[in-house]
Amino acid sequence: KQEVTQIPAALSVPEGENLVLNCSFTDSAIYNLQWFRQDPGKGLTSLLLIQSSQREQTSGRLNASLDKSSGRSTLYIAASQPGDSATYLCAVLPHNAGNMLTFGGGTRLMVKP
Amino acid sequence: GAVVSQHPSWVICKSGTSVKIECRSLDFQATTMFWYRQFPKQSLMLMATSNEGSKATYEQGVEKDKFLINHASLTLSTLTVTSAHPEDSSFYICSATLAGDSYNEQFFGPGTRLTVL
Repeated sequence: KQEVTQIPAALSVPEGENLVLNCSFTDSAIYNLQWFRQDPGKGLTSLLLIQSSQREQTSGRLNASLDKSSGRSTLYIAASQPGDSATYLCAVLPHNAGNMLTFGGGTRLMVKP
Repeated sequence: GAVVSQHPSWVICKSGTSVKIECRSLDFQATTMFWYRQFPKQSLMLMATSNEGSKATYEQGVEKDKFLINHASLTLSTLTVTSAHPEDSSFYICSATLAGDSYNEQFFGPGTRLTVL
C-alpha cells in the first residue's frame, strides 16, 4: 500500500527565506506526483504536476523535483512571502490505481513579515 | 480552464436530516469524479470514486448507504449524506479528471463545510 509522508509537519520562517518542503512515498511505481496548496477552510489549488518521466517542474518562485527511484519529491519556494502561508500537500498517483491519489499529511507553512 | 465548483460551500443541518452536495465541472467533461473528506488539521481521505453512468466505488470503511453518490452526467456528481449525525461534520471536497487526459491530473473543488448540530 502506498504511503506518503511530508516533513516537516509545520514550518515557520521569516519573509524572504528560501525553503524546501519534503515529500516521500513508499512505492516508486507512480504515474505522477502533484503539489497542492490549501488555504484554511478552502479547497486545493494545484501548484505543480510532475510526470513520472520528469525530474522537475517550475512555476514562478516554485520548483518541484522528483526522484522516483528514491521515492522523494521536494518543493522549493524561493524568496518566501507572507502570502505563501498555507498548507502544502503532495499527492502521488500510483500506476493501476484508477486515478486514486494518495495524499501526504501536509506541511503547514507560516511566513512571517 | 478545468474549473470545478461545489454547492453549497457550507451547510448547517440538524441531526437526522439528509444533505446533498453538488460537484460540477464547469468547463470540461469529467468521466471520473472523486469525493474526499477532511477533518481539521488532517489530510484528505478518499471516500469514493464516481464514474459517470455507473455505481460509485467506495473506500473501505465508508458506508455506501450513508453516503449516496450519483454521477448522472459528465459534469455533475452529487454526494448525499443521509441521516446526518454530528460525527459527519467535516469538510467535503470533490475532484474531477478530464476525459481523455493523459496526465490524469485532478482538479479540485473549493469544498463544502458540513456542520451537523
